Amino acid sequence: GAVVSQHPSWVICKSGTSVKIECRSLDFQATTMFWYRQFPKQSLMLMATSNEGSKATYEQGVEKDKFLINHASLTLSTLTVTSAHPEDSSFYICSATFHGRNTIYFGEGSWLTVV
Amino acid sequence: AQTVTQSQPEMSVQEAETVTLSCTYDTSESDYYLFWYKQPPSRQMILVIRQEAYKQQNATENRFSVNFQKAAKSFSLKISDSQLGDAAMYFCAYSAPQGGSEKLVFGKGTKLTVNP
Repeated sequence: GAVVSQHPSWVICKSGTSVKIECRSLDFQATTMFWYRQFPKQSLMLMATSNEGSKATYEQGVEKDKFLINHASLTLSTLTVTSAHPEDSSFYICSATFHGRNTIYFGEGSWLTVV
Repeated sequence: AQTVTQSQPEMSVQEAETVTLSCTYDTSESDYYLFWYKQPPSRQMILVIRQEAYKQQNATENRFSVNFQKAAKSFSLKISDSQLGDAAMYFCAYSAPQGGSEKLVFGKGTKLTVNP
């Protein structure tokens, strides 16, 4: 099956710094990628939808200037948490699909801890 | 807006027994997909089963089957012959791919414990 890889799996950063998480589709061209956030013992909350070559569409309540999403190629989307604060600590997970496939492939997720 | 409701925060089942996890959803769309995902402690999202709304036949995958009631907007998951490895969080999800976007809306999840 299709594989989606996230990197890094774990990251610790200092408050006020920025951190980038990558999401790659390894064996298919992802026309659309999604970024989710999951707090402990909670469900996945969609943050934004990213289409290759265009600006991401953010969900209501998600700060687009804080969570920068770039989908520069058909195999890579990045999420940059800018000026990170401890409340940004969470599990971030991406998913990818390609048009007409009707199947969504998830990455392994990335744990972010801001200290 | 579409919503997905899982009314059982936690469920438990004895090994080898059968358990049913509940899910209801709300939508005005006629064409959509429903999913059950399993999330073990590793946090990897694993697709368990998928149902297309236009199909009347309930989807099955080995020990996993669904009871899809479109009129009632209900989509329950039945796990037969439960195994210890089935213990995980289970999320019901909905997707209505208008314009080619498969955005998933998740329920809050049900934590399944399998007792030996």
